[in-house]
Amino acid sequence: DAGVIQSPRHEVTEMGQEVTLRCKPISGHNSLFWYRQTMMRGLELLIYFNNNVPIDDSGMPEDRFSAKMPNASFSTLKIQPSEPRDSAVYFCASSIISNSPLHFGNGTRLTVT
Amino acid sequence: EDQVTQSPEALRLQEGESSSLNCSYTVSGLRGLFWYRQDPGKGPEFLFTLYSAGEEKEKERLKATLTKKESFLHITAPKPEDSATYLCAVQDRTTDSWGKLQFGAGTQVVVTP
Repeated sequence: DAGVIQSPRHEVTEMGQEVTLRCKPISGHNSLFWYRQTMMRGLELLIYFNNNVPIDDSGMPEDRFSAKMPNASFSTLKIQPSEPRDSAVYFCASSIISNSPLHFGNGTRLTVT
Repeated sequence: EDQVTQSPEALRLQEGESSSLNCSYTVSGLRGLFWYRQDPGKGPEFLFTLYSAGEEKEKERLKATLTKKESFLHITAPKPEDSATYLCAVQDRTTDSWGKLQFGAGTQVVVTP
């Protein structure tokens, strides 16, 4: 089991640019979560999917953020346009629906200058 | 609003010096309380889930306990490899978003030889 795979591990971009973060969940897991971690706010849930369908996006900070899950093995989180305050570590996690623990990837560290 | 408070923020231990971490929580109704371990540059790694007051879980030198208001993570005779940030998270049964975890800020533990 390769675990949750995220790419890239690091992303440095300039303000105003589009950023796309990618995630491959664990095979067989049917829930996928995007979290963001900052020193100030800790870990926060942005959005999650069940069976590729977005269930709760109330944590998405602004319309600049969007997420998709076109199939069971791939998800993207896009920020357009990016701003310096978006700098954070973005984690993807997956699980089997109903109370199973979340398995996190190793995150993408995003720096927006 | 759900709240999770962890204490202390940081803990420095000598190898073999047992200690406890605290996680105080406020939720409308607890579905589950989770403990995760996070190493630098990595995603959180699942340790335990606790569902009801009085429940205990153990894994190697770690033992988690739960009351109606708080949870403790006891570290018995720690080793340097136990150095990490330990995160507590709660899942509120009263929300539709079963997958939404409210994380605490974490306790950074350093174990010195």
